[in-house]
Amino acid sequence: DQQVKQNSPSLSVQEGRISILNCDYTNSMFDYFLWYKKYPAEGPTFLISISSIKDKNEDGRFTVFLNKSAKHLSLHIVPSQPGDSAVYFCAASGGIQGAQKLVFGQGTRLTINP
Amino acid sequence: DSGVTQTPKHLITATGQRVTLRCSPRSGDLSVYWYQQSLDQGLQFLIHYYNGEERAKGNILERFSAQQFPDLHSELNLSSLELGDSALYFCASKSGTGGIGGELFFGEGSRLTVL
Repeated sequence: DQQVKQNSPSLSVQEGRISILNCDYTNSMFDYFLWYKKYPAEGPTFLISISSIKDKNEDGRFTVFLNKSAKHLSLHIVPSQPGDSAVYFCAASGGIQGAQKLVFGQGTRLTINP
Repeated sequence: DSGVTQTPKHLITATGQRVTLRCSPRSGDLSVYWYQQSLDQGLQFLIHYYNGEERAKGNILERFSAQQFPDLHSELNLSSLELGDSALYFCASKSGTGGIGGELFFGEGSRLTVL
């Protein structure tokens, strides 16, 4: 039961352009969403989060959008830089039983081309 | 550097064997989480401990067990190992009361290879 899905295993974007990573979830009890970034041979690192009471959260070049009715969130990176090349994981938590853990998607490998 | 330390970084063993993975959380963090990442898979939640007590359990096999000690470090024990147990095992820690309200800080992972 994959409650958090990232349907694009990989994405290639030209440097300076916008990168859009997508994530869908099925559990309506999720109320907190996060994006993590992972470089090879390192652990995931927190990037940005959003609560279900918001539909947008911005932090520098990174913006996360949440569409609760569609159970969809996206991460926008503008402008994309070579250092953004990494695997990006979407994660969610929420509900009484779900409050103690994060459920992760499969990840999307982003490659920024010079 | 996240401040979370995992040992060993790499481990190669044979089927049927038992291994122990160790995690030291960030200083002051009371929560420790264990995740498994198999090839081309996302991170699968295994178990969460808060201040020595088990708080939540995910799809953790009965052959696996974990504990958190009074000094807050945690160990994940994997026994009767099978080829399919080969994976990256991540530990993460978090401050606060234990519920997910913010970010987790991940270690670099322990890569287990079962031959």
